[in-house]
Amino acid sequence: QVQLVQSGAEVRKPGSSVRVSCKASGGTFSSNGINWVRQAPGQGLEWMGGIFAMFDSTNYAQKFRGRLTISADKSTGTAYMELRSLRPEDTAVYYCARDSAPGYFDYWGQGTLVTVSS
Amino acid sequence: DIQLTQSPSSLSASVGDRVTITCRASQGIGNDLGWYQHKPGKAPKRLIYSASSLQSGVPSRFSGSGSGTEFTLTISSLQPEDFATYYCLQHKSFPMYTFGQGTKLE
Repeated sequence: QVQLVQSGAEVRKPGSSVRVSCKASGGTFSSNGINWVRQAPGQGLEWMGGIFAMFDSTNYAQKFRGRLTISADKSTGTAYMELRSLRPEDTAVYYCARDSAPGYFDYWGQGTLVTVSS
Repeated sequence: DIQLTQSPSSLSASVGDRVTITCRASQGIGNDLGWYQHKPGKAPKRLIYSASSLQSGVPSRFSGSGSGTEFTLTISSLQPEDFATYYCLQHKSFPMYTFGQGTKLE
Protein backbone atom coordinates (compact mmCIF):
# COMPACT_ATOMS: atom_id res chain seq x y z
CA GLN A 1 0.00 0.00 0.00
CA VAL A 2 1.41 3.36 -1.03
CA GLN A 3 1.78 5.94 1.73
CA LEU A 4 2.92 9.54 1.57
CA VAL A 5 3.96 10.90 4.95
CA GLN A 6 4.62 14.61 5.29
CA SER A 7 6.64 16.56 7.81
CA GLY A 8 4.96 18.44 10.62
CA ALA A 9 3.40 21.87 10.96
CA GLU A 10 5.58 24.94 10.57
CA VAL A 11 5.34 28.56 11.68
CA ARG A 12 7.35 31.14 9.77
CA LYS A 13 7.74 34.88 9.69
CA PRO A 14 7.05 36.90 6.54
CA GLY A 15 10.05 36.96 4.22
CA SER A 16 11.43 33.65 5.42
CA SER A 17 11.37 30.22 3.76
CA VAL A 18 9.85 26.86 4.56
CA ARG A 19 10.68 23.34 3.40
CA VAL A 20 8.14 20.53 3.64
CA SER A 21 9.03 16.90 3.03
CA CYS A 22 6.95 14.04 1.66
CA LYS A 23 8.27 10.50 2.16
CA ALA A 24 6.84 7.79 -0.04
CA SER A 25 6.65 4.14 0.87
CA GLY A 26 5.06 1.06 -0.67
CA GLY A 27 5.53 2.04 -4.30
CA THR A 28 8.15 2.87 -6.91
CA PHE A 29 9.05 6.43 -6.10
CA SER A 30 10.83 7.33 -9.31
CA SER A 31 8.14 5.94 -11.62
CA ASN A 32 5.49 8.47 -10.70
CA GLY A 33 5.20 12.20 -10.34
CA ILE A 34 4.88 13.89 -6.99
CA ASN A 35 2.87 17.10 -6.98
CA TRP A 36 2.34 19.80 -4.41
CA VAL A 37 -1.15 21.20 -3.86
CA ARG A 38 -2.13 23.76 -1.27
CA GLN A 39 -5.37 24.90 0.32
CA ALA A 40 -5.50 28.25 2.07
CA PRO A 41 -8.14 28.78 4.77
CA GLY A 42 -11.57 28.99 3.17
CA GLN A 43 -10.08 28.61 -0.30
CA GLY A 44 -9.89 25.85 -2.89
CA LEU A 45 -7.18 23.46 -3.98
CA GLU A 46 -4.30 25.05 -5.87
CA TRP A 47 -1.72 23.07 -7.87
CA MET A 48 1.72 24.51 -7.22
CA GLY A 49 4.10 22.25 -9.10
CA GLY A 50 5.48 18.78 -9.43
CA ILE A 51 8.51 16.59 -9.98
CA PHE A 52 9.13 13.40 -11.92
CA ALA A 53 12.08 12.01 -10.03
CA MET A 54 13.16 9.51 -12.69
CA PHE A 55 14.15 12.37 -14.99
CA ASP A 56 14.72 15.05 -12.33
CA SER A 57 12.10 17.03 -14.20
CA THR A 58 10.20 19.79 -12.42
CA ASN A 59 7.25 21.96 -13.41
CA TYR A 60 5.82 24.96 -11.62
CA ALA A 61 2.62 26.95 -11.85
CA GLN A 62 3.43 30.39 -13.21
CA LYS A 63 2.26 31.99 -9.97
CA PHE A 64 5.08 30.33 -8.00
CA ARG A 65 7.98 30.46 -10.46
CA GLY A 66 11.03 32.03 -8.86
CA ARG A 67 9.76 31.40 -5.33
CA LEU A 68 9.20 27.66 -5.32
CA THR A 69 11.66 24.78 -5.60
CA ILE A 70 10.58 21.16 -5.70
CA SER A 71 13.22 18.48 -5.37
CA ALA A 72 13.51 14.78 -4.69
CA ASP A 73 15.94 12.38 -3.09
CA LYS A 74 15.57 9.10 -4.98
CA SER A 75 17.69 7.22 -2.45
CA THR A 76 15.19 7.87 0.35
CA GLY A 77 12.02 8.24 -1.73
CA THR A 78 11.41 11.73 -0.38
CA ALA A 79 10.16 14.80 -2.20
CA TYR A 80 10.62 18.33 -0.92
CA MET A 81 8.80 21.61 -1.43
CA GLU A 82 10.60 24.82 -0.55
CA LEU A 83 8.71 28.11 -0.71
CA ARG A 84 10.66 31.34 -0.21
CA SER A 85 9.79 34.97 0.51
CA LEU A 86 6.78 33.83 2.49
CA ARG A 87 3.80 36.14 2.86
CA PRO A 88 0.79 35.82 5.21
CA GLU A 89 -1.31 34.69 2.25
CA ASP A 90 0.92 31.61 1.95
CA THR A 91 -0.69 30.33 5.14
CA ALA A 92 -2.24 27.08 3.99
CA VAL A 93 -2.27 23.33 4.28
CA TYR A 94 0.25 21.93 1.83
CA TYR A 95 -0.32 18.46 0.38
CA CYS A 96 1.86 16.19 -1.69
CA ALA A 97 0.05 13.93 -4.11
CA ARG A 98 1.18 11.20 -6.47
CA ASP A 99 -0.05 11.22 -10.05
CA SER A 100 0.06 7.64 -11.32
CA ALA A 101 -1.36 8.81 -14.65
CA PRO A 102 -2.03 12.26 -16.16
CA GLY A 103 -4.74 13.87 -14.04
CA TYR A 104 -4.98 11.00 -11.55
CA PHE A 105 -3.86 11.99 -8.07
CA ASP A 106 -4.32 8.61 -6.43
CA TYR A 107 -2.39 8.98 -3.16
CA TRP A 108 -2.09 12.05 -0.99
CA GLY A 109 -0.04 13.01 2.04
CA GLN A 110 -1.82 13.95 5.24
CA GLY A 111 -1.15 17.65 4.73
CA THR A 112 1.20 20.09 6.47
CA LEU A 113 -0.07 23.35 7.92
CA VAL A 114 2.25 26.25 7.25
CA THR A 115 1.42 29.42 9.13
CA VAL A 116 3.06 32.69 8.09
CA SER A 117 2.72 35.33 10.74
CA SER A 118 4.78 38.04 12.32
CA ASP B 1 -1.47 28.60 -17.88
CA ILE B 2 -4.90 27.16 -18.62
CA GLN B 3 -7.57 28.59 -16.30
CA LEU B 4 -10.67 26.73 -15.13
CA THR B 5 -13.75 28.59 -13.93
CA GLN B 6 -16.30 26.64 -11.91
CA SER B 7 -19.84 27.68 -11.21
CA PRO B 8 -21.50 28.03 -8.88
CA SER B 9 -18.98 28.51 -6.08
CA SER B 10 -21.51 27.18 -3.61
CA LEU B 11 -24.78 25.36 -3.97
CA SER B 12 -27.52 24.70 -1.49
CA ALA B 13 -29.34 21.43 -2.17
CA SER B 14 -31.31 18.70 -0.46
CA VAL B 15 -31.15 14.94 -0.42
CA GLY B 16 -32.72 13.60 -3.58
CA ASP B 17 -32.01 16.73 -5.65
CA ARG B 18 -30.38 16.65 -9.06
CA VAL B 19 -27.28 18.83 -9.00
CA THR B 20 -25.18 20.17 -11.87
CA ILE B 21 -21.79 21.88 -11.58
CA THR B 22 -20.10 23.57 -14.53
CA CYS B 23 -16.42 23.98 -15.33
CA ARG B 24 -15.23 26.23 -18.17
CA ALA B 25 -11.69 26.17 -19.54
CA SER B 26 -9.91 29.24 -20.87
CA GLN B 27 -8.91 27.28 -23.97
CA GLY B 28 -9.84 23.99 -25.51
CA ILE B 29 -8.65 21.00 -23.51
CA GLY B 30 -10.35 18.18 -25.39
CA ASN B 31 -11.55 15.75 -22.74
CA ASP B 32 -8.49 16.07 -20.49
CA LEU B 33 -10.55 16.87 -17.42
CA GLY B 34 -11.47 15.08 -14.23
CA TRP B 35 -13.73 15.77 -11.28
CA TYR B 36 -12.65 15.37 -7.65
CA GLN B 37 -14.66 15.26 -4.43
CA HIS B 38 -13.05 16.67 -1.30
CA LYS B 39 -14.35 16.22 2.23
CA PRO B 40 -12.76 17.94 5.27
CA GLY B 41 -9.93 15.92 6.76
CA LYS B 42 -9.84 13.46 3.86
CA ALA B 43 -7.83 13.20 0.66
CA PRO B 44 -9.56 14.36 -2.50
CA LYS B 45 -11.02 11.50 -4.50
CA ARG B 46 -11.42 11.35 -8.27
CA LEU B 47 -14.97 10.65 -9.42
CA ILE B 48 -14.76 11.19 -13.17
CA TYR B 49 -11.87 11.00 -15.63
CA SER B 50 -11.59 11.90 -19.30
CA ALA B 51 -14.56 14.23 -18.78
CA SER B 52 -17.19 11.50 -18.77
CA SER B 53 -15.76 8.18 -17.54
CA LEU B 54 -16.79 6.99 -14.10
CA GLN B 55 -13.92 6.08 -11.79
CA SER B 56 -14.11 2.49 -10.57
CA GLY B 57 -16.08 2.20 -7.34
CA VAL B 58 -17.85 5.54 -7.72
CA PRO B 59 -21.67 5.39 -7.58
CA SER B 60 -23.47 5.69 -10.88
CA ARG B 61 -25.42 8.74 -9.68
CA PHE B 62 -22.29 10.72 -10.61
CA SER B 63 -21.81 11.54 -14.27
CA GLY B 64 -19.72 13.91 -16.33
CA SER B 65 -20.08 15.40 -19.77
CA GLY B 66 -18.51 17.94 -22.08
CA SER B 67 -15.43 18.52 -24.16
CA GLY B 68 -13.37 21.43 -25.39
CA THR B 69 -14.10 24.30 -23.03
CA GLU B 70 -17.32 23.40 -21.21
CA PHE B 71 -17.84 20.52 -18.82
CA THR B 72 -20.46 19.47 -16.30
CA LEU B 73 -20.63 17.18 -13.30
CA THR B 74 -24.10 15.91 -12.47
CA ILE B 75 -25.29 14.12 -9.36
CA SER B 76 -28.62 12.58 -10.28
CA SER B 77 -30.02 12.10 -6.77
CA LEU B 78 -28.06 13.70 -3.98
CA GLN B 79 -27.22 11.47 -1.02
CA PRO B 80 -26.17 12.64 2.48
CA GLU B 81 -22.59 11.54 1.89
CA ASP B 82 -22.32 13.73 -1.23
CA PHE B 83 -22.15 17.00 0.70
CA ALA B 84 -18.58 18.04 -0.04
CA THR B 85 -16.56 20.38 -2.22
CA TYR B 86 -16.10 19.43 -5.88
CA TYR B 87 -13.22 20.43 -8.12
CA CYS B 88 -12.47 20.05 -11.78
CA LEU B 89 -8.85 19.38 -12.75
CA GLN B 90 -7.39 19.74 -16.23
CA HIS B 91 -4.34 17.84 -17.46
CA LYS B 92 -4.25 19.03 -21.06
CA SER B 93 -1.05 20.84 -20.12
CA PHE B 94 0.40 17.75 -18.37
CA PRO B 95 2.70 17.68 -16.44
CA MET B 96 1.20 21.03 -15.49
CA TYR B 97 -2.25 21.04 -13.91
CA THR B 98 -4.98 23.47 -12.97
CA PHE B 99 -7.83 23.04 -10.48
CA GLY B 100 -11.08 24.89 -10.73
CA GLN B 101 -11.82 27.06 -7.71
CA GLY B 102 -14.27 24.55 -6.27
CA THR B 103 -17.99 24.21 -5.67
CA LYS B 104 -19.15 23.67 -2.10
CA LEU B 105 -22.30 21.61 -1.89
CA GLU B 106 -24.21 22.38 1.29
